[in-house]
Amino acid sequence: AQSVTQPDIHITVSEGASLELRCNYSYGATPYLFWYVQSPGQGLQLLLKYFSGDTLVQGIKGFEAEFKRSQSSFNLRKPSVHWSDAAEYFCAVGAGTGFQKLVFGTGTRLLVSP
Amino acid sequence: EAGVTQFPSHSVIEKGQTVTLRCDPISGHDNLYWYRRVMGKEIKFLLHFVKESKQDESGMPNNRFLAERTGGTYSTLKVQPAELEDSGVYFCASSQVGGENRGYTFGSGTRLTVV
Repeated sequence: AQSVTQPDIHITVSEGASLELRCNYSYGATPYLFWYVQSPGQGLQLLLKYFSGDTLVQGIKGFEAEFKRSQSSFNLRKPSVHWSDAAEYFCAVGAGTGFQKLVFGTGTRLLVSP
Repeated sequence: EAGVTQFPSHSVIEKGQTVTLRCDPISGHDNLYWYRRVMGKEIKFLLHFVKESKQDESGMPNNRFLAERTGGTYSTLKVQPAELEDSGVYFCASSQVGGENRGYTFGSGTRLTVV
């Protein structure tokens, strides 16, 4: 069965510092991978996705993620974090027939210090 | 375009009571999904509608949960009777048919607290 692991429950970074959030997945074939962000009081917003092709994916808000099949990873990165990036981040893999449902990790809460 | 709307945003009920959550998808989105996040755990799939038909309800935890989507527009998720372990945030999402791979649009969720 598909699964997603986000090993870091909380991460604190200083504003302006770089960020990397880890995500490892378990899936037999080429996965459909997603990163979502949930800001306080908001719904889940899609940051970026990977289906095929270039393994470095650009998303919104200056985020990018790199798919590494050999490591079963899809880590999210941002070169310079802004205070408004404080939120909870979820990695997910598409599963089921037509990848209709998402299997999520437990999320990583990002705190940004001044 | 209007997003996915869920209400209420918060609900506090006593154990044994009934609660109905509602989701209005984006107009024209035939796919509608329900997910749930129990405190500290991952967000889990509950079920998937295509129009008014249940395509996949493999994630529904038990028969105290009933989801409907009459007319293929809005959907309701009823919990009857509610138990303490039903507390969590219930998310709804929608997408166009064939648009699943572009990622769903999620609502802001309903936080359900059963006391």
